[in-house]
Amino acid sequence: DTAVSQTPKYLVTQMGNDKSIKCEQNLGHDTMYWYKQDSKKFLKIMFSYNNKELIINETVPNRFSPKSPDKAHLNLHINSLELGDSAVYFCASSQVRGRYVSFGPGTRLTVL
Amino acid sequence: TQLLEQSPQFLSIQEGENLTVYCNSSSVFSSLQWYRQEPGEGPVLLVTVVTGGEVKKLKRLTFQFGDARKDSSLHNTAAQPGDTGLYLCAHGQNFVFGPGTRLSVLP
Repeated sequence: DTAVSQTPKYLVTQMGNDKSIKCEQNLGHDTMYWYKQDSKKFLKIMFSYNNKELIINETVPNRFSPKSPDKAHLNLHINSLELGDSAVYFCASSQVRGRYVSFGPGTRLTVL
Repeated sequence: TQLLEQSPQFLSIQEGENLTVYCNSSSVFSSLQWYRQEPGEGPVLLVTVVTGGEVKKLKRLTFQFGDARKDSSLHNTAAQPGDTGLYLCAHGQNFVFGPGTRLSVLP
């Protein structure tokens, strides 16, 4: 199936730990994104990335860092996790200057 | 960043009723998308509108883009329980999303 996939689906961890979420897309898209959806369901963009440019939402703490080994992957690394990082994180992709974005199924992160 | 507003924030209706939800901004959109998100899943694209005044239909859903391209509406005719979900509008090259309308259609 052509899609955006991400792992794990659920992630429960202690405060202060470092964790990663993996994302892969096989849609041939040029641009990938990470979004955070909080408990009120507000979907906020964190990063957008293609092979030329990384755009970071200025409100995202530098504990969060995207890493892209190739065009089809954009992983999210989070250092020193905090309680407020608990949320659902969505990976997504689109064509450059595309008119829609395709989302992965989400990773529910719970920080205890 | 162009901010999007959506209304209403919550909507609960009975099966068979009609509903309209709105998305607007003080700025002009080059294009606008509507997505639907079900619990435990990512948002899924419903439609993209590009031209001012454009109307698109998707089964029982009718989407309209305002003439000035600053607002859009989603009209659902005879809503079904399966339409329950979070309806999001988004715009821009980096796909900025509105806060969403949470729709519940009761049987």
